[in-house]
Amino acid sequence: GNSVTQMEGPVTLSEEAFLTINCTYTATGYPSLFWYVQYPGEGLQLLLKATKADDKGSNKGFEATYRKETTSFHLEKGSVQVSDSAVYFCALSDGGSGGGADGLTFGKGTHLIIQP
Amino acid sequence: GAVVSQHPSRVICKSGTSVKIECRSLDFQATTMFWYRQFPKQSLMLMATSNEGSKATYEQGVEKDKFLINHASLTLSTLTVTSAHPEDSSFYICSARNLRGMGYGYTFGSGTRLTVV
Repeated sequence: GNSVTQMEGPVTLSEEAFLTINCTYTATGYPSLFWYVQYPGEGLQLLLKATKADDKGSNKGFEATYRKETTSFHLEKGSVQVSDSAVYFCALSDGGSGGGADGLTFGKGTHLIIQP
Repeated sequence: GAVVSQHPSRVICKSGTSVKIECRSLDFQATTMFWYRQFPKQSLMLMATSNEGSKATYEQGVEKDKFLINHASLTLSTLTVTSAHPEDSSFYICSARNLRGMGYGYTFGSGTRLTVV
């Protein structure tokens, strides 16, 4: 079945530091890959996505590149802000083509803390 | 943009009672909605896929008689936790497939914190 593995936190950084959150996946078929962000007390918001190999998703200074050869989708940001503090989830969907459910498979989430 | 409204945001109920959670797509039609459960400091686990006009598809290990799902229209899916027990306390989140705008994407509700006492 499908699975997503991401680095566990919490990850604590100082403001303006460089951020990398690693994410690797296992899937049958050709999945789409997503990063979602969850702020305290809120639901999930789509941060960025990529639907095929070598695609780069980007939004709000965050970016991630779909690497089929390494089955990875690492999230990066050049200069983080306090307001980026949240939980970040890597996820995949194969649209049911892998024989599983048509919903998303999530990683465990990475809690990011940015200190002033 | 696509919006999914989930209600209530918080509910406290007594053991043995039932609780209904609503998930509405406000500005788009959703033939498919998804229900997830999130335990503290853990990831979201897909519970079931809700299909408009047909029976829901449940993931392995999810009791369909306990977690009743109804998707009666293109904009509304409901999850009813029947005969709730303290171990059902969790954060439940719905999601709808949105085929407009960004194309292949999922929009999430803001979640429901269920506490069974």
